[in-house]
Amino acid sequence: DIQMTQSPSSLSASLGDRIIITCRASQSISRSLNWYQQKPGRAPNLLIYAASSLQSGVPSRFSGGGSGTDFTLTISSLQPEDFATYYCQQSFIVPGTFGQGTKVEIK
Amino acid sequence: EVQLVKSGGGLVQPGGSLRLSCAASGFTFSRHWMSWVRQAPGKGLEWVANINQDGSEEYYVDSVRGRFTISRDNAKNSLYLQMNSLRAEDTALYYCARVGASGTTWDYWGQGTLVTVSS
Repeated sequence: DIQMTQSPSSLSASLGDRIIITCRASQSISRSLNWYQQKPGRAPNLLIYAASSLQSGVPSRFSGGGSGTDFTLTISSLQPEDFATYYCQQSFIVPGTFGQGTKVEIK
Repeated sequence: EVQLVKSGGGLVQPGGSLRLSCAASGFTFSRHWMSWVRQAPGKGLEWVANINQDGSEEYYVDSVRGRFTISRDNAKNSLYLQMNSLRAEDTALYYCARVGASGTTWDYWGQGTLVTVSS
């Protein structure tokens, strides 16, 4: 199985901050990496697929990068609605496994 | 608008059974793989099962294989999860999710339905 490790597990940030969440795969997964956002009490929502492609309707302040084993999710200017938990998910071996999540909280 | 509306769920004793249903609308259900994904209380996401477009292929996470059965009825635009021999560790919020056209993402999710396994 491919293990996905996110860091940090949680972070505190202020409105307008730029934040970066990292995700590392236990083996190379090319660019087969997706990011989801989950708000409390809600279902996950697909943000980015294939490492860097923005899902339709997702604001452009979200961006993804990386390939191989190391990936990033960047929020360029944190907005109130961005406080949530973010999960990476590898799709190299379908159906895929998730990272443990990164909770973004208000400082 | 894509909608995935779940029913079923609830409290069940260890060793018991439960059936979850998910009614799909707003897209051509028969063209998509579908999945169940679960989330234990306060924990992360775990894929549970997949089924292909015509129901001829099923895949399961090791921990539920032989106990859970995923199925679908394309005439009713519905997805199901039959859960038998339930264990405390199966306690979770269960989501049905649509697999996107690329086959590598879950692009629409229903709201979770809570399954609690406890005596």
